Amino acid sequence: SQQGEEDPQALSIQEGENATMNCSYKTSINNLQWYRQNSGRGLVHLILIRSNEREKHSGRLRVTLDTSKKSSSLLITASRAADTASYFCATEGQGFSFIFGKGTRLLVKP
Amino acid sequence: EAEVAQSPRYKITEKSQAVAFWCDPISGHATLYWYRQILGQGPELLVQFQDESVVDDSQLPKDRFSAERLKGVDSTLKIQPAELGDSAMYLCASSLAGVVYEQYFGPGTRLTVT
Repeated sequence: SQQGEEDPQALSIQEGENATMNCSYKTSINNLQWYRQNSGRGLVHLILIRSNEREKHSGRLRVTLDTSKKSSSLLITASRAADTASYFCATEGQGFSFIFGKGTRLLVKP
Repeated sequence: EAEVAQSPRYKITEKSQAVAFWCDPISGHATLYWYRQILGQGPELLVQFQDESVVDDSQLPKDRFSAERLKGVDSTLKIQPAELGDSAMYLCASSLAGVVYEQYFGPGTRLTVT
C-alpha cells in the first residue's frame, strides 16, 4: 500500500530554474524523509524532517512539512544538470517499516 | 566513508532456478532492509531486520523468498524458484536503529530472469 505519493510524476526544467515536488501521505508520521536516485543506482538520503518541524534546509534543498494537510514539499533551487534524478519521499508504514512513493522524475536540461 | 556492500551487482538466471543476494551493512547498523524496485516505481520493502530478528516481512512472498541475518551483521536474500516477474532491482539498506534514522543504500543487484 502506498503511504507517500509524489507529485508531479515527471518534471522538466532548464538549468538554473527551481524545481518543486510534493509528497502527500495518509496516516500520522513521526518523520518524513526525501531520497534521490540517479539512474539505475541506489538511493541517497537527502533530508529527514520530523513531525514537529515545519521547514528544513540543506544547501540548495528546502523541505517543508504540513502535518495538518499531510503533505511535504521539496524545493531544489538553482538546479543543475547533475540534479537530474528520481526523487522519493519515504514515510513510516504500519509498524516500524518504511514506505516509499513512486517518485518524481526530474530532468534538468543544460 | 562507510558503505553498504551488495553482491552480485548483476545476475541473470533462468526461471525455476535458485538465486541468492548478499548484503553487508555499515558496521554498527542494527537495522537492515531488503527492498525490491521495479523500473519506474519506488522501492517496496520485502523484509526488515532488527539485529538478527525479523521486524517486518509482511510483503515477502514466503513461498519462494527467504531472508536471513544469522549473526545480526550481513544478510542473504534467496529466491527459489525464480519467476519471470522477479526481474527487478534488489536493494539493501541499513540504518542505526529503525525508521527514526536515515537509511544508507547499497548499489543494488539487478536481477533478470529469462
